[in-house]
Amino acid sequence: DTGVSQDPRHKITKRGQNVTFRCDPISEHNRLYWYRQTLGQGPEFLTYFQNEAQLEKSRLLSDRFSAERPKGSFSTLEIQRTEQGDSAMYLCALRGSYNEQFFGPGTRLTVL
Amino acid sequence: GEDVEQSLFLSVREGDSSVINCTYTDSSSTYLYWYKQEPGAGLQLLTYIFSNMDMKQDQRLTVLLNKKDKHLSLRIADTQTGDSAIYFCAESMGNTPLVFGKGTRLSVIA
Repeated sequence: DTGVSQDPRHKITKRGQNVTFRCDPISEHNRLYWYRQTLGQGPEFLTYFQNEAQLEKSRLLSDRFSAERPKGSFSTLEIQRTEQGDSAMYLCALRGSYNEQFFGPGTRLTVL
Repeated sequence: GEDVEQSLFLSVREGDSSVINCTYTDSSSTYLYWYKQEPGAGLQLLTYIFSNMDMKQDQRLTVLLNKKDKHLSLRIADTQTGDSAIYFCAESMGNTPLVFGKGTRLSVIA
């Protein structure tokens, strides 16, 4: 148990639809990260939060991607007008004492 | 920019040692990590090493770091079929997001 849950675990959507994923840390963590993993690749950093402040968002893949962490606890990642190239695993992670990241199980997105 | 390279595949016989190699480009890397990912599962942190260390051992796992050559390796002793997975090397500069390699798929032959 890495202390973070993600919902949903799987999402199938049609191209052009909006999707939202949620990440819930079990306990308080200041730093929360979002990564994307495509087939045959390692995770790729998207954005991260220090409490409710989004510290880095230039690596979000396009302006269709946005993330929030309104109360410094759970976080959401939204993709608007999904494209087939958005199909991937979206991973949430919490930061440990040595900057190690503890990953949730991920949300697998399939865009048809 | 930062880059992490790994060989893509490794096959070993059960009971042998596995050595998975990784090279990185950023000499400012402070921490280096090894993660394991089994099919359909998330990433599991196996171990990490500080850049001021040469070696770290944890049960069957031994991490070696050659900072001069920017080379990191993970040795798994007495490899078992349950060790079959994809192993990712990652680096960070201490307070930055992790940069991952593409992963090495380890196949263990019984």
